[in-house]
Amino acid sequence: EAGVAQSPRYKIIEKRQSVAFWCNPISGHATLYWYQQILGQGPKLLIQFQNNGVVDDSQLPKDRFSAERLKGVDSTLKIQPAKLEDSAVYLCASSSPAVGVTEAFFGQGTRLTVV
Amino acid sequence: AQSVTQLGSHVSVSEGALVLLRCNYSSSVPPYLFWYVQYPNQGLQLLLKYTTGATLVKGINGFEAEFKKSETSFHLTKPSAHMSDAAEYFCAVSDAGQAGTALIFGKGTTLSVSS
Repeated sequence: EAGVAQSPRYKIIEKRQSVAFWCNPISGHATLYWYQQILGQGPKLLIQFQNNGVVDDSQLPKDRFSAERLKGVDSTLKIQPAKLEDSAVYLCASSSPAVGVTEAFFGQGTRLTVV
Repeated sequence: AQSVTQLGSHVSVSEGALVLLRCNYSSSVPPYLFWYVQYPNQGLQLLLKYTTGATLVKGINGFEAEFKKSETSFHLTKPSAHMSDAAEYFCAVSDAGQAGTALIFGKGTTLSVSS
Protein backbone atom coordinates (compact mmCIF):
# COMPACT_ATOMS: atom_id res chain seq x y z
CA GLU A 1 0.00 0.00 0.00
CA ALA A 2 1.44 3.35 -1.03
CA GLY A 3 1.90 5.87 1.74
CA VAL A 4 1.13 9.57 1.94
CA ALA A 5 3.09 11.44 -0.72
CA GLN A 6 4.26 15.02 -0.28
CA SER A 7 6.23 17.38 -2.47
CA PRO A 8 8.55 19.12 -2.51
CA ARG A 9 10.71 17.71 0.30
CA TYR A 10 12.58 20.94 0.80
CA LYS A 11 11.90 24.56 -0.09
CA ILE A 12 13.81 27.77 0.58
CA ILE A 13 12.13 31.10 -0.14
CA GLU A 14 12.54 34.72 0.82
CA LYS A 15 10.10 36.40 3.13
CA ARG A 16 7.05 37.87 1.42
CA GLN A 17 7.26 35.27 -1.36
CA SER A 18 4.58 32.65 -1.87
CA VAL A 19 4.92 28.88 -1.70
CA ALA A 20 2.70 25.85 -2.21
CA PHE A 21 2.88 22.31 -0.92
CA TRP A 22 1.18 19.26 -2.38
CA CYS A 23 -0.14 16.15 -0.70
CA ASN A 24 -1.58 12.90 -2.05
CA PRO A 25 -3.15 10.82 0.74
CA ILE A 26 -3.44 7.06 0.99
CA SER A 27 -6.03 5.81 -1.48
CA GLY A 28 -9.49 5.70 0.03
CA HIS A 29 -8.68 7.83 3.04
CA ALA A 30 -11.44 10.38 3.43
CA THR A 31 -9.77 12.49 6.10
CA LEU A 32 -6.74 14.63 5.37
CA TYR A 33 -4.77 16.78 7.79
CA TRP A 34 -2.08 19.44 7.45
CA TYR A 35 0.19 19.91 10.44
CA GLN A 36 2.91 22.47 11.08
CA GLN A 37 5.94 21.29 13.05
CA ILE A 38 8.26 24.03 14.24
CA LEU A 39 11.73 22.91 15.27
CA GLY A 40 11.71 21.48 18.78
CA GLN A 41 7.93 21.26 19.00
CA GLY A 42 5.23 18.72 18.31
CA PRO A 43 3.06 18.93 15.21
CA LYS A 44 0.23 21.44 15.37
CA LEU A 45 -2.94 20.98 13.33
CA LEU A 46 -3.51 23.64 10.70
CA ILE A 47 -6.52 22.23 8.88
CA GLN A 48 -8.55 19.03 8.62
CA PHE A 49 -10.60 17.95 5.61
CA GLN A 50 -13.28 15.30 5.43
CA ASN A 51 -13.54 14.45 1.74
CA ASN A 52 -13.44 17.93 0.18
CA GLY A 53 -15.05 19.77 3.08
CA VAL A 54 -13.25 21.57 5.90
CA VAL A 55 -13.81 20.06 9.36
CA ASP A 56 -11.47 22.24 11.40
CA ASP A 57 -9.39 25.24 10.32
CA SER A 58 -9.47 27.09 13.62
CA GLN A 59 -5.65 27.25 13.86
CA LEU A 60 -4.99 28.18 10.24
CA PRO A 61 -3.67 31.76 9.87
CA LYS A 62 -6.20 32.63 7.22
CA ASP A 63 -4.66 35.99 6.37
CA ARG A 64 -1.73 34.18 4.75
CA PHE A 65 -2.45 30.46 4.65
CA SER A 66 -4.97 28.72 2.42
CA ALA A 67 -5.69 25.10 1.63
CA GLU A 68 -7.92 23.19 -0.69
CA ARG A 69 -8.75 19.59 -1.42
CA LEU A 70 -10.17 19.26 -4.87
CA LYS A 71 -12.36 16.24 -5.55
CA GLY A 72 -11.67 14.92 -2.06
CA VAL A 73 -8.27 13.47 -2.95
CA ASP A 74 -5.13 15.61 -3.39
CA SER A 75 -4.60 18.71 -1.33
CA THR A 76 -2.57 21.89 -1.65
CA LEU A 77 -1.44 24.17 1.16
CA LYS A 78 -0.35 27.68 0.22
CA ILE A 79 1.38 30.46 2.10
CA GLN A 80 1.26 33.99 0.72
CA PRO A 81 3.14 36.04 1.78
CA ALA A 82 5.57 33.98 3.85
CA LYS A 83 7.07 35.24 7.10
CA LEU A 84 10.26 34.15 8.85
CA GLU A 85 8.21 32.40 11.54
CA ASP A 86 6.66 30.13 8.91
CA SER A 87 9.93 28.18 8.76
CA ALA A 88 8.87 24.69 9.77
CA VAL A 89 8.14 21.20 8.50
CA TYR A 90 4.69 20.87 6.99
CA LEU A 91 3.29 17.40 7.45
CA CYS A 92 0.36 15.92 5.62
CA ALA A 93 -1.51 12.97 7.09
CA SER A 94 -4.55 10.93 6.22
CA SER A 95 -6.87 8.55 8.01
CA SER A 96 -9.88 6.40 7.36
CA PRO A 97 -12.37 6.67 10.22
CA ALA A 98 -14.75 4.45 8.30
CA VAL A 99 -12.80 1.41 9.48
CA GLY A 100 -12.98 2.50 13.10
CA VAL A 101 -9.34 3.44 13.41
CA THR A 102 -8.42 7.02 14.11
CA GLU A 103 -4.67 6.74 13.69
CA ALA A 104 -3.19 9.06 11.14
CA PHE A 105 -0.60 8.06 8.54
CA PHE A 106 1.99 10.73 7.86
CA GLY A 107 3.98 11.74 4.82
CA GLN A 108 7.67 12.64 5.03
CA GLY A 109 6.91 16.32 5.20
CA THR A 110 8.09 19.45 3.42
CA ARG A 111 10.80 21.43 5.18
CA LEU A 112 10.28 25.14 4.53
CA THR A 113 12.98 27.68 5.25
CA VAL A 114 12.07 31.35 4.96
CA VAL A 115 15.05 33.70 4.76
CA ALA B 1 -9.83 20.92 25.74
CA GLN B 2 -7.43 18.06 25.36
CA SER B 3 -3.71 18.42 25.97
CA VAL B 4 -0.60 16.27 26.26
CA THR B 5 2.43 16.79 28.49
CA GLN B 6 5.64 14.91 27.87
CA LEU B 7 7.95 15.09 30.85
CA GLY B 8 11.56 15.53 29.81
CA SER B 9 12.46 16.97 26.44
CA HIS B 10 15.59 14.82 26.32
CA VAL B 11 16.25 11.35 27.71
CA SER B 12 19.63 9.64 27.50
CA VAL B 13 20.18 5.94 28.13
CA SER B 14 22.91 3.39 27.55
CA GLU B 15 22.46 0.58 25.09
CA GLY B 16 20.69 -2.28 26.86
CA ALA B 17 19.16 -0.06 29.52
CA LEU B 18 15.46 0.46 30.21
CA VAL B 19 13.75 3.18 28.20
CA LEU B 20 10.98 5.16 29.94
CA LEU B 21 9.33 8.10 28.21
CA ARG B 22 6.61 9.84 30.17
CA CYS B 23 3.29 11.13 28.89
CA ASN B 24 0.35 12.61 30.76
CA TYR B 25 -2.85 13.76 29.14
CA SER B 26 -5.78 15.96 29.94
CA SER B 27 -9.13 15.10 28.45
CA SER B 28 -12.74 15.60 29.45
CA VAL B 29 -13.81 12.56 27.45
CA PRO B 30 -12.30 9.07 27.10
CA PRO B 31 -9.35 9.52 24.79
CA TYR B 32 -7.54 7.48 22.25
CA LEU B 33 -3.79 7.57 22.97
CA PHE B 34 -0.88 7.16 20.61
CA TRP B 35 2.89 7.10 20.52
CA TYR B 36 4.64 8.09 17.32
CA VAL B 37 8.36 8.02 16.48
CA GLN B 38 10.12 10.42 14.14
CA TYR B 39 13.56 9.76 12.69
CA PRO B 40 15.58 12.66 11.26
CA ASN B 41 14.07 14.14 8.10
CA GLN B 42 11.22 11.63 8.19
CA GLY B 43 7.52 11.74 8.89
CA LEU B 44 5.89 10.25 11.96
CA GLN B 45 5.50 6.50 12.32
CA LEU B 46 2.98 4.93 14.66
CA LEU B 47 4.56 2.88 17.46
CA LEU B 48 1.39 1.86 19.27
CA LYS B 49 -2.08 3.01 20.21
CA TYR B 50 -4.66 2.56 22.94
CA THR B 51 -8.32 2.66 21.98
CA THR B 52 -10.28 0.32 24.24
CA GLY B 53 -9.76 -2.96 26.05
CA ALA B 54 -6.45 -4.11 27.51
CA THR B 55 -4.61 -1.23 29.11
CA LEU B 56 -1.14 -2.64 28.37
CA VAL B 57 -0.48 -2.10 24.69
CA LYS B 58 2.38 -3.64 22.74
CA GLY B 59 3.78 -1.95 19.69
CA ILE B 60 6.51 -2.30 17.14
CA ASN B 61 10.23 -2.58 17.85
CA GLY B 62 9.67 -3.96 21.37
CA PHE B 63 7.93 -0.89 22.77
CA GLU B 64 4.90 -1.01 25.02
CA ALA B 65 2.76 1.47 26.94
CA GLU B 66 0.25 1.23 29.73
CA PHE B 67 -2.90 3.33 29.96
CA LYS B 68 -3.52 4.35 33.57
CA LYS B 69 -6.77 6.25 33.81
CA SER B 70 -6.34 7.09 37.50
CA GLU B 71 -2.99 8.74 36.75
CA THR B 72 -4.01 10.10 33.32
CA SER B 73 -0.78 8.64 32.01
CA PHE B 74 0.39 6.65 29.00
CA HIS B 75 4.12 6.10 29.53
CA LEU B 76 6.20 4.37 26.86
CA THR B 77 8.73 1.70 27.84
CA LYS B 78 11.21 -0.67 26.29
CA PRO B 79 13.19 -3.16 28.40
CA SER B 80 16.45 -2.88 26.48
CA ALA B 81 17.46 0.09 24.34
CA HIS B 82 19.13 -0.31 20.96
CA MET B 83 21.20 2.28 19.15
CA SER B 84 18.54 2.32 16.44
CA ASP B 85 15.97 3.60 18.97
CA ALA B 86 17.57 7.05 18.98
CA ALA B 87 14.85 9.35 17.61
CA GLU B 88 12.14 11.85 18.58
CA TYR B 89 9.08 10.39 20.28
CA PHE B 90 5.66 12.03 20.40
CA CYS B 91 2.68 11.20 22.54
CA ALA B 92 -0.70 12.17 21.10
CA VAL B 93 -4.34 12.13 22.10
CA SER B 94 -7.60 12.25 20.18
CA ASP B 95 -11.26 12.31 21.09
CA ALA B 96 -12.57 8.74 21.12
CA GLY B 97 -16.10 10.02 20.83
CA GLN B 98 -15.61 11.31 17.30
CA ALA B 99 -13.95 9.14 14.72
CA GLY B 100 -11.42 11.01 12.67
CA THR B 101 -10.77 13.72 15.21
CA ALA B 102 -7.34 15.23 14.71
CA LEU B 103 -4.47 14.23 16.96
CA ILE B 104 -3.12 16.64 19.56
CA PHE B 105 0.58 16.12 20.12
CA GLY B 106 2.96 16.71 22.98
CA LYS B 107 6.19 18.61 22.45
CA GLY B 108 8.20 15.46 22.01
CA THR B 109 11.07 13.70 23.78
CA THR B 110 14.42 13.14 22.12
CA LEU B 111 15.87 9.76 23.00
CA SER B 112 19.65 9.37 22.83
CA VAL B 113 21.26 5.94 23.13
CA SER B 114 24.95 5.61 23.90
CA SER B 115 27.13 2.56 23.49
